[in-house]
Amino acid sequence: GAVVSQHPSRVICKSGTSVKIECRSLDFQATTMFWYRQFPKQSLMLMATSNEGSKATYEQGVEKDKFLINHASLTLSTLTVTSAHPEDSSFYICSAPTRSTQYFGPGTRLTVL
Amino acid sequence: AQSVTQLDSQVPVFEEAPVELRCNYSSSVSVYLFWYVQYPNQGLQLLLKYLSGSTLVKGINGFEAEFNKSQTSFHLRKPSVHISDTAEYFCAVSWTGTASKLTFGTGTRLQVTL
Repeated sequence: GAVVSQHPSRVICKSGTSVKIECRSLDFQATTMFWYRQFPKQSLMLMATSNEGSKATYEQGVEKDKFLINHASLTLSTLTVTSAHPEDSSFYICSAPTRSTQYFGPGTRLTVL
Repeated sequence: AQSVTQLDSQVPVFEEAPVELRCNYSSSVSVYLFWYVQYPNQGLQLLLKYLSGSTLVKGINGFEAEFNKSQTSFHLRKPSVHISDTAEYFCAVSWTGTASKLTFGTGTRLQVTL
């Protein structure tokens, strides 16, 4: 079946630094990818929709200047958390849709000290 | 407003017992419905989905769900659970197609014990 990968799986950084998370569709092309955030023991909340060749679409309340999204190719989207702070610590999950369903990456655990 | 509700935050059950995880949604238009499972520190794995056709949907790991349009429900069932089914289960809805963004319920923690 379709596979979506994320890198890194886990990252720890200092407050004020930037962190880049990659999301790749390994065996299919995705013109759209989605980025979700999940806080401990909570559900997934959509942050933004990544569009290949155009700007990302952000959900209400998500700062586009803080969470930079670049859909570099039909198989790669990146999320950069700029000037990270402890409150940005979370589990970030991407997904990529096919015609019939969505496939999720394994997630990236971000811890900001 | 369109929403997804999972009323049970936790469901404890003994191994080999049946289980039902409830999911209700609110919508005035057609929906696409999904159940995902999440094991600790992992991403989401698709259990099953309803797009159209038969209202009884069978998925992986022995799970099934029934779409009930009149009750706007999509409850997940398994006749006999195993310890390995212990995980978080999320119901999700898409209102604009299978390739569109999903709205998730708050999740149900299924805890299977001996």
